[in-house]
Amino acid sequence: DTGVSQDPRHKITKRGQNVTFRCDPISEHNRLYWYRQTLGQGPEFLTYFQNEAQLEKSRLLSDRFSAERPKGSFSTLEIQRTEQGDSAMYLCASSPPGGTRADTQYFGPGTRLTVL
Amino acid sequence: AQSVTQLDSQVPVFEEAPVELRCNYSSSVSVYLFWYVQYPNQGLQLLLKYLSGSTLVKGINGFEAEFNKSQTSFHLRKPSVHISDTAEYFCAVINSGGSNYKLTFGKGTLLTVNP
Repeated sequence: DTGVSQDPRHKITKRGQNVTFRCDPISEHNRLYWYRQTLGQGPEFLTYFQNEAQLEKSRLLSDRFSAERPKGSFSTLEIQRTEQGDSAMYLCASSPPGGTRADTQYFGPGTRLTVL
Repeated sequence: AQSVTQLDSQVPVFEEAPVELRCNYSSSVSVYLFWYVQYPNQGLQLLLKYLSGSTLVKGINGFEAEFNKSQTSFHLRKPSVHISDTAEYFCAVINSGGSNYKLTFGKGTLLTVNP
């Protein structure tokens, strides 16, 4: 049973560039979550999908951020016109189908973004 | 709205000593409680969770936590730590009902186990 995978693991970009991250959840997990973790802080919720439907978005997800999960499998998170404040670890998690809020969210290793 | 406070940002201990990492939460609704561990350059791994029932919850790697509703606390303990327990530990809560599925995390406690 492979875990949640994220690609790339590290991304360095210049301010103003667009970046896209990919998350592959655990097979058959229908719920997928994105979180952002900055230095010295715990992860903060960004958005959540159930299958292909994006059901919840945080106020942290400004209009420069967009997330998709087109076929209910992998997901992408795009940041347009990156700013230095976007530098963070972007974490993806998934949880199994038919579940509840009690279910464990399984986290991937994260994508570390550095905006110069 | 919910919030989680981890009272210690860093906890240094010696190997084989006991440790307690403190977590308090605030919520107007019922919640489930979680402890996650993050090793360097790795994702978060679940240590244990409290859903209902017995207030003492046992997790992996010899960790346990006790839920105290009156004090709104969920402190994590281990009777004897190892060097390999050095990591960042996060307490988190989630609504037990309602429509959202987001975890709210504390800022984390860095546990450093010294020889």
